[in-house]
Amino acid sequence: DAGVIQSPRHEVTEMGQEVTLRCKPISGHNSLFWYRQTMMRGLELLIYFNNNVPIDDSGMPEDRFSAKMPNASFSTLKIQPSEPRDSAVYFCASSFLRQETQYFGPGTRLLVL
Amino acid sequence: ELKVEQNPLFLSMQEGKNYTIYCNYSTTSDRLYWYRQDPGKSLESLFVLLSNGAVKQEGRLMASLDTKARLSTLHITAAVHDLSATYFCAVDKNRDDKIIFGKGTRLHILP
Repeated sequence: DAGVIQSPRHEVTEMGQEVTLRCKPISGHNSLFWYRQTMMRGLELLIYFNNNVPIDDSGMPEDRFSAKMPNASFSTLKIQPSEPRDSAVYFCASSFLRQETQYFGPGTRLLVL
Repeated sequence: ELKVEQNPLFLSMQEGKNYTIYCNYSTTSDRLYWYRQDPGKSLESLFVLLSNGAVKQEGRLMASLDTKARLSTLHITAAVHDLSATYFCAVDKNRDDKIIFGKGTRLHILP
């Protein structure tokens, strides 16, 4: 298995632009998680899906952030409009069941100028 | 509110020495995870601890959980340079659907 796949790996954009991050979880995994990592705030859980349904999005910073999981093999995290404070590494992780070991993707390094 | 505190946040140690990283959390939890992150890389799962008294070992790393004390430890035995990384604990409170990470312990092992 290729593991969790994220794209793009790096993204540089200007403030106000829309950013879409993509994630393909490990086949057969039923839970998918989006995290954000910054030096200041550490690792934060943004949202997680169980069987493609968003369960808890209380970690999503604000309305500019949205996440979807249209099917079991694909999820997106969208920021619109982006701001410099959104600069971070965004990780996607998946697990067979919510309480099982999470496998993290390589992350997307986002820089908003 | 669930809070997770790790200490120390930074540790520099000599090869061959033993040391322990501590992870305290504020409320009851359903499981506790330990992850490793190398600089510029993603997170790698090390251990999942489910019950009081659980102990898991992998090579020079051993993790334990005391749910009564709300404390988990990650013990490093005879450290080697390859173990240099940042180690995170994370606490999962299933009832509240929360997973909270500690700030991480940056471990630097000197050859």
